[in-house]
Amino acid sequence: DAKTTQPTSMDCAEGRAANLPCNHSTISGNEYVYWYRQIHSQGPQYIIHGLKNNETNEMASLIITEDRKSSTLILPHATLRDTAVYYCIVSGSGANNLFFGTGTRLTVIP
Amino acid sequence: DVKVTQSSRYLVKRTGEKVFLECVQDMDHENMFWYRQDPGLGLRLIYFSYDVKMKEKGDIPEGYSVSREKKERFSLILESASTNQTSMYLCASSSPGTGAYEQYFGPGTRLTVT
Repeated sequence: DAKTTQPTSMDCAEGRAANLPCNHSTISGNEYVYWYRQIHSQGPQYIIHGLKNNETNEMASLIITEDRKSSTLILPHATLRDTAVYYCIVSGSGANNLFFGTGTRLTVIP
Repeated sequence: DVKVTQSSRYLVKRTGEKVFLECVQDMDHENMFWYRQDPGLGLRLIYFSYDVKMKEKGDIPEGYSVSREKKERFSLILESASTNQTSMYLCASSSPGTGAYEQYFGPGTRLTVT
């Protein structure tokens, strides 16, 4: 599975959009990009995934570059409850092992 | 609502004890996973199971075993607990699909071995 690179930490003002970047330059054609987050003292929570096209759901939007070497998770209006560690994961179709790195610690500031 | 439960949130055991961590999911998922999470290391896969009585080693299986006698239940066993197994243990489940799929996690068990 391709490795990912994320910033260690980021801050975002409450009510603003939080844009979390992820580099995955070695991604292969059949690998998906997944995003999870982990709020303190809880298990990770699935957010969104994509293959080639941009995706949006009730939690977030995922923008994948045309060459698929990087992506951005967008939380459109960050709240204090969005403070968490966000993991970007690249994994093949049907793969059982999702490799969680150390993620980006997002702090939403009042 | 999707649910994965783990038997304990906090557990303290002594070195050499046999430890059982239980995980139950109510989603009829075929796949179940055990991870451990340590500061600076992220989540690491210990074992997973894709069917009853089936198991596969993950990245760090040494010192652990698993049991899956029923579809909804996946147990992690520390045969002889050691202090380096002090960690947060996370269970997850998923349903295999033809494409991408998500894993649903339990709340975690923080195990301390003294």
